[in-house]
Amino acid sequence: EVQLVESGGGLVQPGGSLRLSCAASGFTFISYWMTWVRQAPGKGLEWVANIRLDGSEKYYVDSVKGRFTISRDNAKSSLYLQMNSLTAEDTAVYYCARGGAPRSSSPFPYWGQGTLVTVSS
Amino acid sequence: QSVLTQPPSASGTPGQRVTISCSGSSSNIGSNSVNWYQQLPGTAPKALIHSNNQRPSGVPDRFSGSKSGTSASLAISGLQSEDEADYYCAAWDDSLSGWVFGGGTKLTVL
Repeated sequence: EVQLVESGGGLVQPGGSLRLSCAASGFTFISYWMTWVRQAPGKGLEWVANIRLDGSEKYYVDSVKGRFTISRDNAKSSLYLQMNSLTAEDTAVYYCARGGAPRSSSPFPYWGQGTLVTVSS
Repeated sequence: QSVLTQPPSASGTPGQRVTISCSGSSSNIGSNSVNWYQQLPGTAPKALIHSNNQRPSGVPDRFSGSKSGTSASLAISGLQSEDEADYYCAAWDDSLSGWVFGGGTKLTVL
């Protein structure tokens, strides 16, 4: 059974940093692109970033470029999102999703349960 | 403002057929597959349709997708109370080099 379990969310002050983790199991992690998607309270889904199988290719939504870094550790079957210079607009539930290769015909078949990040003083 | 445009709400009575539209452009829907996700209240999104009109295993055939030009639609026939949820379309955007989602449509079963 495919499982994606996010962790690392919490309350952080504006300008602060946070690192999210996603532990994957039930599939061959190194064989899939991985993606972070977020959802602000009461709002819709927003793609944040995705990363290639070996980490050699990464894409980011414009609003997080230069502040967020997506990475992965294939030996640990884990996906990460380092978030710096956080603002209130980054407050959201962050979901880890399997897949998301550019132009994929079947992106995001599996999602984690999400972890809440709240940016507030 | 989302890159893909969906109506904010839709509704129907049990047994009815409802459709939800998703409008994009040549750089996203016009050149790439459309995917649909269902999000029940308080839960993570679930894949509903991929490759414009393909259902993942376990998704009832009451759900169907279609695409024409730069627009796509999700149809739900034989509406049930358990279908009350938010529905999102998504596609890769070649100009933005990223995934784009619609703003979501809240479906109410009256």
